[in-house]
Amino acid sequence: DVKVTQSSRYLVKRTGEKVFLECVQDMDHENMFWYRQDPGLGLRLIYFSYDVKMKEKGDIPEGYSVSREKKERFSLILESASTNQTSMYLCASRFSGTGGHEQYFGPGTRLTVT
Amino acid sequence: RKEVEQDPGPFNVPEGATVAFNCTYSNSASQSFFWYRQDCRKEPKLLMSVYSSGNEDGRFTAQLNRASQYISLLIRDSKLSDSATYLCVVILEFYNQGGKLIFGQGTELSVKP
Repeated sequence: DVKVTQSSRYLVKRTGEKVFLECVQDMDHENMFWYRQDPGLGLRLIYFSYDVKMKEKGDIPEGYSVSREKKERFSLILESASTNQTSMYLCASRFSGTGGHEQYFGPGTRLTVT
Repeated sequence: RKEVEQDPGPFNVPEGATVAFNCTYSNSASQSFFWYRQDCRKEPKLLMSVYSSGNEDGRFTAQLNRASQYISLLIRDSKLSDSATYLCVVILEFYNQGGKLIFGQGTELSVKP
């Protein structure tokens, strides 16, 4: 059974704090993704990684950075949290290569920045 | 123009109704297509893949029209448990690197007794 886990389900941080969101998958997937989901805006891709130490900007990378030191772990970093980063953050992973492989999501982290 | 556009919701239907969702995509290089389902406050989960020949899974039928860049999902005999948001997903595959999934905004379905 594929599992994508995220370090916290709920997180409350203050403006200006550095925030780390951790994601771990146990299926040896090459590709990993970070999204945020907001009402009316749907899922928006922040960053993705197609292999260890590789990263690519998604559609809304500003204010975020990522780290992929090990294949199973993909971290999202908010260097200085702001209130407009209050959102639901979803991590996902999938096998690379053509063939339309399914993407599996973690349960999400609901981050509130006050 | 959004890369993937879906019917605006919400769709409110009675139990037993047939409901259809539509989705259009803008990039003709898109290679794979899915419908995902997302329950309230939960993560999205794969509902079904969409193939050019059309495919069916029980009460659910998915269709793809590459020429028109159009995807559809038909739900027959709606159940209360079908209430969820349905996300249209398109994949752009990168050579040797996997793919980037592009999600539509989702269409909310509410099935009433």
